[in-house]
Amino acid sequence: AIQMTQSPSSLSASVGDRVTITCRASQNIRNDLGWYQQKSGKAPELLIYASSSLKSGVPSRFSGSGSGTDFTLTISSLQPEDSASYYCLQDYNYPRTFGQGTKVEIK
Amino acid sequence: EVQLVESGGGLVQPEGSLRLSCAASGFNFNNYWMQWVRQSPGRGLEWVANINQDGGAQRYVDSVKGRFTISRDNTKKSLYLQMNSLRAEDTAVYYCVRDGEVVVPGAVYDAYDIWGQGTVVTVSS
Repeated sequence: AIQMTQSPSSLSASVGDRVTITCRASQNIRNDLGWYQQKSGKAPELLIYASSSLKSGVPSRFSGSGSGTDFTLTISSLQPEDSASYYCLQDYNYPRTFGQGTKVEIK
Repeated sequence: EVQLVESGGGLVQPEGSLRLSCAASGFNFNNYWMQWVRQSPGRGLEWVANINQDGGAQRYVDSVKGRFTISRDNTKKSLYLQMNSLRAEDTAVYYCVRDGEVVVPGAVYDAYDIWGQGTVVTVSS
């Protein structure tokens, strides 16, 4: 199974800060990667698919990039409502595999 | 309203069985791949299984192969997960998830766009 390694596991940043989360795949997955946001006590929600395509309705401060093995989720200007855990998910092959998550806290 | 509602979770003893159900509403259930994803504190988010639109194709994570069976009834707009020989490590919140698959020339991308609220499965004696 493809291993997805996220970093950092947690971070604390101020409102307005630029935040970057990385996800590394154990093999080339082209651009077959999505990003999900999970707020406390809730189910995950889709933010980005195909590495960089923003789901309709997701704020434009979220962006994704990368291909092959290295991927990035960027929040350009952190907002209070962005306090959550973020997960990457590869859909290159089966079994689908998630990263271990990054918890984002607001200072 | 587009939604997925899971049911069937609970406390079960090791080696026991449980059947999860997921009722879909607000969209054409027949048109979508569906999956089960679970989450536990120790194992994070884990994709468990999926099934295609007509139920003819299923995939599983290795840890549940031979023990879990995913199925669907399109006439009832329902997804199921039959779980047998349950182990402590199967303890988790189980989510029913729609794949709002995105098709572009030369590629198909998963897009898990609708999630249920989750149902809790606890395997313990």
